[in-house]
Amino acid sequence: NFMLTQPHSVSESPGKTVTISCTGSSGSIASNYVQWYQQRPGSAPTTVIYEDNQRPSGVPDRFSGSIDRSSNSASLTISGLKTEDEADYYCQSYDSSNLVFGGGTKLTVL
Amino acid sequence: QVQLVESGGGVVQPGRSLRLSCAASEFTFRSYGMHWVRQAPGKGLEWVAVISYDGNNKYYADSVKGRFTISRDNSKNTLYLQMNSLRAEDTAVYYCAKDFGYRITFGGVIDYWGQGTLVTVSS
Repeated sequence: NFMLTQPHSVSESPGKTVTISCTGSSGSIASNYVQWYQQRPGSAPTTVIYEDNQRPSGVPDRFSGSIDRSSNSASLTISGLKTEDEADYYCQSYDSSNLVFGGGTKLTVL
Repeated sequence: QVQLVESGGGVVQPGRSLRLSCAASEFTFRSYGMHWVRQAPGKGLEWVAVISYDGNNKYYADSVKGRFTISRDNSKNTLYLQMNSLRAEDTAVYYCAKDFGYRITFGGVIDYWGQGTLVTVSS
């Protein structure tokens, strides 16, 4: 079964840039779109990146997504970190009949 | 702004049934696929099921196949999840979510989420 692997946690200081990776277990991660969801403590998830690198309206351009075919991975990059970015981040993709989520990465901004 | 409001959660004994509802508004409900996604306490997100815009195509996670049924009533702008033979491991917050794709058979891109409803399976 297709799986997505994320680091358990990352931390960075305000104003800096952080990148969260999401590695596919098999096949090409570029075969289907990758999405990224942000979940702040006690809240529902929200979509911050869809279709690999598209930002929904209202999401600041500090958030960007990319695909690296050579490492079969996707990345979420957040620049100019703010304390409000502290949250869990999940990558997600799909195959012909299932959605798959990564295990989530806890971002600490300190 | 898209609104998705779940209801129907609560405490239920193992082996019993529960039906969740999700009332949708501020978008053309009948034109988009819909998902259920759950999150056990302190755990990550787990996809549960998806239904196509017209209700003709449904897909399920292996963990719920044969026990849960997703359905929709486009005349009422409402999504449902019928959960039978509930187990302790089904305890989770259940989120209703809208798919990004317009009038497609299977969608794998979520753009909006509801606030969730908690289901607790316990004796």
